[in-house]
Amino acid sequence: GAGVSQTPSNKVTEKGKYVELRCDPISGHTALYWYRQSLGQGPEFLIYFQGTGAADDSGLPNDRFFAVRPEGSVSTLKIQRTERGDSAVYLCASSTGQGEQFFGPGTRLTVL
Amino acid sequence: GENVEQHPSTLSVQEGDSAVIKCTYSDSASNYFPWYKQELGKRPQLIIDIRSNVGEKKDQRIAVTLNKTAKHFSLHITETQPEDSAVYFCAAGGSYIPTFGRGTSLIVHP
Repeated sequence: GAGVSQTPSNKVTEKGKYVELRCDPISGHTALYWYRQSLGQGPEFLIYFQGTGAADDSGLPNDRFFAVRPEGSVSTLKIQRTERGDSAVYLCASSTGQGEQFFGPGTRLTVL
Repeated sequence: GENVEQHPSTLSVQEGDSAVIKCTYSDSASNYFPWYKQELGKRPQLIIDIRSNVGEKKDQRIAVTLNKTAKHFSLHITETQPEDSAVYFCAAGGSYIPTFGRGTSLIVHP
């Protein structure tokens, strides 16, 4: 079946703008994760959803970052007033629960 | 929270040699230890994982060992091939959220 998909694959924006990144998890996966990966680093946890609710958002760096998953499937990561330091690859992953996470291809965000 | 250290950051081997990547973790409550392979420009993919109730797991040329007392675990790749070249990440976690290491860039020279 289809894997995790993310759109857009690349996003270039200007400092101060608002961006939305979308994740379509594997159908039936109740757990959804957002990570941020900078060059030469491992994935850094941002937020975890179990169903529609954010079970753990302790990784969000500040209140400019927000994520939703209103119907327990697709999720959107929203970044307000983007800064150059937000530039990274944003990865989404889904799983059935404890165990293997299936990653999406990522969205490369560049803030000019 | 959990802290995962991974070494080495870069590992260069000749085709056919073995490669070993080591990780340590800090939270004794962690009970799930996956390893991911990420090729350049691609998504991380799980290659093997181990839970805290076992000490070793093998899958063909890949094995993982876990020492819970010392809080370290290792990835072993035997008979390396050029297509094994990639960045490998270890992770350690408890209930649902693993913490990732910084990655090891493995280069296998033909």
